[in-house]
Amino acid sequence: DIQMTQSPSSLSASVGDRVTITCRASQSISNNLHWYQHKPGKAPELLIYVASNLQSGVPSRFSGSGSGTDFTLTISSLQPEDFATYFCQQTYSTPLTFGGGTKVEIK
Amino acid sequence: QVQLQESGPGLVKPSETLSLTCAVFGGSISGYYWSWIRQPAGKGLEWIGRIYASGGTSYNPSLQSRLTMSVDTSKNQVYLRLSSVTVADTAIYYCARGQLRLDSWGQGTQVAVSS
Repeated sequence: DIQMTQSPSSLSASVGDRVTITCRASQSISNNLHWYQHKPGKAPELLIYVASNLQSGVPSRFSGSGSGTDFTLTISSLQPEDFATYFCQQTYSTPLTFGGGTKVEIK
Repeated sequence: QVQLQESGPGLVKPSETLSLTCAVFGGSISGYYWSWIRQPAGKGLEWIGRIYASGGTSYNPSLQSRLTMSVDTSKNQVYLRLSSVTVADTAIYYCARGQLRLDSWGQGTQVAVSS
């Protein structure tokens, strides 16, 4: 199975901050990497697909980059509604696997 | 916009079979893949498997021997059955639309395995 390692596992940030979350795959997955946002008690939401493509309806402050084994999710200017847990998912091979998640908290 | 709603028993005894339903609203299940994912408390997400609306399946090898997924297009519902459950199967179970990337998810349903 492909292991997905996210860092950091949590971070504290202020509104307006630039936030960067990293996801590393245990082997090359090309660009088969997606990012999700999850708020407690809510359904997870797809933010970025195939590494860098913004899902319809997602604000442009979210962006993704990377290929191979190293990927990044960036929030250019953190907004109050962005405090949530973010996780990555690889779809290069089955079983599909997920990163452990990054909880973004208010500083 | 499609909405997914998981439902299930909440509590299952060890060695019994867990049965969950994912009801899809606002869109047809036909023509799509439907996936199941779970998250034990304090742990990461685990992909359980997926089923195409016509019935083809792909399961996580770690669960395959105990797992059955099915669909009922007339009811617009997707089903998961996991047999011989143990406490390790205690988790929030999610259904989601998609073969690879998952573009719509339900809010999840908590399942506890306990005697």
